[in-house]
Amino acid sequence: NAGVTQTPKFRILKIGQSMTLQCAQDMNHNYMYWYRQDPGMGLKLIYYSVGAGITDKGEVPNGYNVSRSTTEDFPLRLELAAPSQTSVYFCASSYSWLDEQFFGPGTRLTVL
Amino acid sequence: AQSVTQPDIHITVSEGASLELRCNYSYGATPYLFWYVQSPGQGLQLLLKYFSGDTLVQGIKGFEAEFKRSQSSFNLRKPSVHWSDAAEYFCAAQGNRDDKIIFGKGTRLHILP
Repeated sequence: NAGVTQTPKFRILKIGQSMTLQCAQDMNHNYMYWYRQDPGMGLKLIYYSVGAGITDKGEVPNGYNVSRSTTEDFPLRLELAAPSQTSVYFCASSYSWLDEQFFGPGTRLTVL
Repeated sequence: AQSVTQPDIHITVSEGASLELRCNYSYGATPYLFWYVQSPGQGLQLLLKYFSGDTLVQGIKGFEAEFKRSQSSFNLRKPSVHWSDAAEYFCAAQGNRDDKIIFGKGTRLHILP
């Protein structure tokens, strides 16, 4: 099993550009999450999904969108990139809501 | 408001020494508690979790944590650290099935040879 995979690993965007961060898991987990990690701030939940077709906002959803058309994939979309979105983004998945979360390796995004 | 506090941003210990990383939580009722570790350039990995029962929880890599209700704490311990334990450690809590997980800001562990 590959676990949770994320692409790309690194990306530099210009202000106003758009991009999609890809996340896939092969563990048949219903629950998937997107976090951002900023230095000294821990992880902040952006969006999460409890199953295909169901998504909900986390703590810091502004400027992002998600979709969940399949159990495996949970892409994160940035429509108009801003410098405040410079961060490391982690995707995670879990079998249930209180279960261990498995994390991907992260995407380091810089917006200039 | 619900919160998780890790009072120490950095901790430095010598290889072979014991380790204790502090975590305090603020919740209306006892939450579900977790410790995760993040090695440089990697995602997070679960070390251990506490839901109920025995207040001393054993985890992977020789770590353990003790839940103390009276102190609202869930401190992580290891009797003897190895250089490979150098990483960032995150305490996390989740109130109930409807609550989202909250992570502390992390403690970065440095190991002296």
